[in-house]
Amino acid sequence: QVQLVESGGGVVQPGRSLRLSCAASGFTFSNYAMHWVRQSPGKGLEWLALISFDGNDQYYADSVKGRFTTSRDNSRNTLHLQIDTLRVEDTAVYYCAKDHCYHGVCSFFDYWGQGTRVTVSS
Amino acid sequence: EIVMTQSPAALSVSPGERATVSCRASQSIGDTLAWYQQKPGQPPRLLIYGASTRATGVPARFSGSGSGTEFTLTISSLQSEDFAVYSCHQYHTWLRGSFGGGTKVEIK
Repeated sequence: QVQLVESGGGVVQPGRSLRLSCAASGFTFSNYAMHWVRQSPGKGLEWLALISFDGNDQYYADSVKGRFTTSRDNSRNTLHLQIDTLRVEDTAVYYCAKDHCYHGVCSFFDYWGQGTRVTVSS
Repeated sequence: EIVMTQSPAALSVSPGERATVSCRASQSIGDTLAWYQQKPGQPPRLLIYGASTRATGVPARFSGSGSGTEFTLTISSLQSEDFAVYSCHQYHTWLRGSFGGGTKVEIK
């Protein structure tokens, strides 16, 4: 069965960086685009980033462009999200999510990880 | 930005009864709408995409309808495991997808 397991969250001070990871199993990872979505009490669910199935293309929400970088290692079935210059408003649960479409982007998510919590506080 | 507005914010329903959740888009999105179910401490689970197509493994008591700006999720006969938060998600605009605020379906 499809499994997505995030890691790397924690409590971090404003201005610092964090790298989140997502380990995928149960499907052919290299065939699907992947997304990052976060959920906070104040803003609800928010789409953050997309990386194509082959890793050649990355796209970001305007709200995080320039600070967030997503990458993937298809040989290790792993997805990453680098978050720089963390802000208090980045406090949220971060999910990786699998795109529904094979070798394309449908932009909706058929499997989600359990999430990793990021708290930005001094 | 397309704003998704869900109603009601909370809904009290008895087991076995029907529950209806509404979602309105601030502009037409065709049928590019998904519904997710989320239970406490768990990630969202895809229920419906394309406004009316059930995802793999989703029971037939869940149905979606609508197009354009008005959408509905119906649970025909609520089971105990259906009490959760339901959220709509528009994916019409490339890289500008947005979610509704959620509807909590509670036990009456």
